[in-house]
Amino acid sequence: DSGVTQTPKHLITATGQRVTLRCSPRSGDLSVYWYQQSLDQGLQFLIQYYNGEERAKGNILERFSAQQFPDLHSELNLSSLELGDSALYFCASSVGQGSGYTFGSGTRLTVV
Amino acid sequence: AQSVTQLGSHVSVSEGALVLLRCNYSSSVPPYLFWYVQYPNQGLQLLLKYTSAATLVKGINGFEAEFKKSETSFHLTKPSAHMSDAAEYFCAVSRTGTASKLTFGTGTRLQVTL
Repeated sequence: DSGVTQTPKHLITATGQRVTLRCSPRSGDLSVYWYQQSLDQGLQFLIQYYNGEERAKGNILERFSAQQFPDLHSELNLSSLELGDSALYFCASSVGQGSGYTFGSGTRLTVV
Repeated sequence: AQSVTQLGSHVSVSEGALVLLRCNYSSSVPPYLFWYVQYPNQGLQLLLKYTSAATLVKGINGFEAEFKKSETSFHLTKPSAHMSDAAEYFCAVSRTGTASKLTFGTGTRLQVTL
């Protein structure tokens, strides 16, 4: 157990639907990062939050949004889902610079 | 902007042989460098990191990597491969600074044969 908890582990949904992925960071970590991993795109950075505030944005689609709550857990919302959104979505947390990330085990999203 | 290039998407070695996974980085500022391992159906696990201290970094499971500024490289090695080392390995770079995001390479799948 890495200390980063992601739910659900698996999600199957239809095109056009909306889903919410949840992440609880490791205790004491203020930064949360979301990544998408797919066979053709590799690991793509989506967005980072630090202590409740958006810190950096990557290749995140407008249909996707995220937030970090006062208890530091984070949610990634994916809407108007397309087949191409099928991927593994990872959350990671870190305590600060140079510390590296601790990854959760991911949510596998399948859009049918 | 930072980036890393991993040479070889697939590497196959015999059990007991040397493992060498290559990573070259590009960064306009002194970087932090990382190697992660991903086993099937799991998240990524940190193997080791370079944060401007010793250039030879030792990590978990017998892996080590050497930061070579002149070659802009951070290759991962292990003297003797074990079957349990079969996994995907990712090199990553970040800027020095408060909780900067990691940029990952495309990964190298390591196969270990008997």
